[in-house]
Amino acid sequence: ETGVTQSPTHLIKTRGQQVTLRCSSQSGHNTVSWYQQALGQGPQFIFQYYREEENGRGNFPPRFSGLQFPNYSSELNVNALELDDSALYLCASSSDPTSTDTQYFGPGTRLTVL
Amino acid sequence: GEDVEQSLFLSVREGDSSVINCTYTDSSSTYLYWYKQEPGAGLQLLTYIFSNMDMKQDQRLTVLLNKKDKHLSLRIADTQTGDSAIYFCAETLRGWGKLQFGAGTQVVVTP
Repeated sequence: ETGVTQSPTHLIKTRGQQVTLRCSSQSGHNTVSWYQQALGQGPQFIFQYYREEENGRGNFPPRFSGLQFPNYSSELNVNALELDDSALYLCASSSDPTSTDTQYFGPGTRLTVL
Repeated sequence: GEDVEQSLFLSVREGDSSVINCTYTDSSSTYLYWYKQEPGAGLQLLTYIFSNMDMKQDQRLTVLLNKKDKHLSLRIADTQTGDSAIYFCAETLRGWGKLQFGAGTQVVVTP
């Protein structure tokens, strides 16, 4: 059984650019949630995808968007990058949208915006 | 601000017990979690407790839940240097897969 993987591990972008982060869910999981963890803070929920549809969103602007594919992998897209978008982006997969007891996190993508 | 609050730092000597405390605000939370994060790494689920329980033990870890005071604690027995990390408390609601995290408690284990 493979775990949750994310790519890339590190990324450097400049203000105004766009970025795409990728997440492969654990085998058998159909739900992916994305979190942003700024330095020194706890993770903040961005949104969740279930069976290719957005299934809930946190307090993030529309320039944060996502996709989920038929194999349940997911992408997080951020447009018009701002300096405050610098953070560790974590994805977590679970066996269904409510199963946080089986929600396992990937290692994260560290995004730096200059 | 955070709905889940934790103290920011704990220093403990190797071999002693560590106790990390957390308060949460949502009385309808059904699951409460403890995650561990080591430097440069993602989150590792340590343990969780269902809200109708008041205690859960898992090897060196003991979770205590006081629903009346909305207080959660994690006790690590015989703390080792490998336990040095940031520990996050998190809550969630039944039927909603969003985790609400605290800011984390940095635990430093000294020899």
